[in-house]
Amino acid sequence: AQSVSQHNHHVILSEAASLELGCNYSYGGTVNLFWYVQYPGQHLQLLLKYFSGDPLVKGIKGFEAEFIKSKFSFNLRKPSVQWSDTAEYFCAVNAFWTGANNLFFGTGTRLTVIP
Amino acid sequence: GAGVSQSPSNKVTEKGKDVELRCDPISGHTALYWYRQSLGQGLEFLIYFQGNSAPDKSGLPSDRFSAERTGGSVSTLTIQRTQQEDSAVYLCASSTQGGKLSAYNEQFFGPGTRLTVL
Repeated sequence: AQSVSQHNHHVILSEAASLELGCNYSYGGTVNLFWYVQYPGQHLQLLLKYFSGDPLVKGIKGFEAEFIKSKFSFNLRKPSVQWSDTAEYFCAVNAFWTGANNLFFGTGTRLTVIP
Repeated sequence: GAGVSQSPSNKVTEKGKDVELRCDPISGHTALYWYRQSLGQGLEFLIYFQGNSAPDKSGLPSDRFSAERTGGSVSTLTIQRTQQEDSAVYLCASSTQGGKLSAYNEQFFGPGTRLTVL
């Protein structure tokens, strides 16, 4: 079955610490990859996306993610987190080559940044 | 411009009752999606609309769930004879294009409807 795994369920960091959230997927074909973020009380919003080209993609608010095809991974990183980064982060995959249009989401990682 | 809106924001119902959840997508967005987020779970795909047709209903968990979209705009998700396991946040998303091109388009999410079945 197709799946997206986020192994970190809850991450707690102090401000200025570096962040890396793991995401692995289990599709064999070409995929489009996304990270969405949900700040407390707000809608899900797109953080960044990868379709093709440079495997290191940059998103909003200083976030970046690296696509490593051989590892089926798309980890999210930020060199120095801020208290305002406290949110839930979701990795998502679109395996459009299967004919599916929807996104497959991971279970999410809750990030708590301590001031 | 206006984003995706959903109503009601919260719905509490008794087991066995029917509920209707509404989604207003962003104007001009042809693709519309319904997802469900249960406690401790990721977002689970339910159904996808391209215009008024639903080429992908594969995520609907049972025949108690149905959805329609009229005029290529508003969509209604109906859950008949609700069960406690239906309790979840139901999210709607829309994007500018459907078909294969939809894979390249950002999905814009609404605030969700929190459904509680007692």
